[in-house]
Amino acid sequence: GDSVTQMEGPVTLSEEAFLTINCTYTATGYPSLFWYVQYPGEGLQLLLKATKADDKGSNKGFEATYRKETTSFHLEKGSVQVSDSAVYFCALRKGGKLIFGQGTELSVKP
Amino acid sequence: KAGVTQTPRYLIKTRGQQVTLSCSPISGHRSVSWYQQTPGQGLQFLFEYFSETQRNKGNFPGRFSGRQFSNSRSEMNVSTLELGDSALYLCASSGRDPNNEQFFGPGTRLTVL
Repeated sequence: GDSVTQMEGPVTLSEEAFLTINCTYTATGYPSLFWYVQYPGEGLQLLLKATKADDKGSNKGFEATYRKETTSFHLEKGSVQVSDSAVYFCALRKGGKLIFGQGTELSVKP
Repeated sequence: KAGVTQTPRYLIKTRGQQVTLSCSPISGHRSVSWYQQTPGQGLQFLFEYFSETQRNKGNFPGRFSGRQFSNSRSEMNVSTLELGDSALYLCASSGRDPNNEQFFGPGTRLTVL
C-alpha cells in the first residue's frame, strides 16, 4: 500500500546550520506531497506542498522538490533558527486522506 | 478567515465511557477529515466527510464513528473507550478538490484512565 518514510530523529543542529530531512514515498499514480510542521502542544501547520513531478514547494526559507524518479520529497533549509525547532511530517495525499511519515523532531541550539 | 476549531481541547474519560469531539471547519470548506495521533502509531487517518457523507474511511474499529452536519461542522464519537484510545485527535478541513491541502485544528487531547 501507499506509505511515506522519513529519516529518523531527533535531529540536533546549531543555529544557521543547513538542514535536510529525507522523505521517500511509495504510491501508485502521482500523489500530491506535503510537509507539515507541528510545534509543541499544537496541531499541524502546512509548510509547503507540491502537486506534480519537478514542482518545488517553498515557504519561510524551506524548500522541497517532488522527484518522481527517486520517489523523494526531501525538506531543506539553508540556515535554521531556534524557532524552527519542531516536529516535521512528510505526507502524501491520495483522494481524501493524508498518509504521514513518522515525523522527524528537529532541535536547533543557539 | 478563522481557522479550524476543535472542542473541547482536553478531555479525561474512564474506560467504557463514550466521548464526542467537535470540529468546525474553515468557512467555505466542505470536507472534514479526522486523524488520531499517538506516540506509537503516529498520525493515522480515521475518516473523511464531505457534504454530510462519509467519503473515506481508515482502518479503525466500529467504535469510532463520525458525522457531518449541513453547516459542515463535524463530530466524532468513540464508544466503549479503551486505554489505547488516549491520543491527540486532529481535525482538518479542505475544499472540494480531494487533492487540496488540508488545514488542521489544534486538536483534542483525550486521556482515558
